[in-house]
Amino acid sequence: EVQLVQSGAEVKKPGESLKISCKASGYSFTDYWIGWVRQMPGKGLEWMGIIYVHDSDTRYNPSFQGQVNISADKSINTAYLQWSSLRASDTAMYYCARSPTVTTPDSWGQGTQVIVAS
Amino acid sequence: QSALTQPASVSGSPGQSITISCTGTRSDVGGYKYVSWYQQHPGKAPKLLIYDVSNRPSGVSNRFSGSKSGNTASLTISGLQAEDEADYYCSSYTAISALEVFGGGTKVTVL
Repeated sequence: EVQLVQSGAEVKKPGESLKISCKASGYSFTDYWIGWVRQMPGKGLEWMGIIYVHDSDTRYNPSFQGQVNISADKSINTAYLQWSSLRASDTAMYYCARSPTVTTPDSWGQGTQVIVAS
Repeated sequence: QSALTQPASVSGSPGQSITISCTGTRSDVGGYKYVSWYQQHPGKAPKLLIYDVSNRPSGVSNRFSGSKSGNTASLTISGLQAEDEADYYCSSYTAISALEVFGGGTKVTVL
């Protein structure tokens, strides 16, 4: 069974750094892309970026380029989404999702709630 | 990049059929077969319903069907059931960023 298990909820202050994780199991981690999707409170889905685990080819939505970093560790089947300096506007639910190609995520993690407040 | 355009809400009675539209451009919906639809219940992760315009993953009810004409894709839910009440999102590959872009989402209400 394909599973994507994300790290737990985070409460941070503006300016702090954060790295959330997405641990994959039940499939060959390096054969797929892993993407990250933001959902702000009461809003829709936004595609942030995606990484092809096999060769670390990473693509970002222009709206998120330079704001976050997406990475993956093949040795522990885990993908990451990282911020160096959080803002209040980063408050959202973040989902990781597996994709067989750069499109069409077919399995999703349960989501990680990130709250940024002073 | 701009989101694809979906109606904010659609409603129907149990047993009826409803259709949700998703309008893009030639750079996304109109130019590629990579249109997908997702269902999201409150507090839950999205679930893939349709991929490549009209294909259903294993386990998805055949009450859900997808199609495309020009720059507009559509999701039809037939035999509407109470459990279909949820938010629905379309998505498409876009040449602008070589990534996927989502629609704004449609809230489906079962009357």
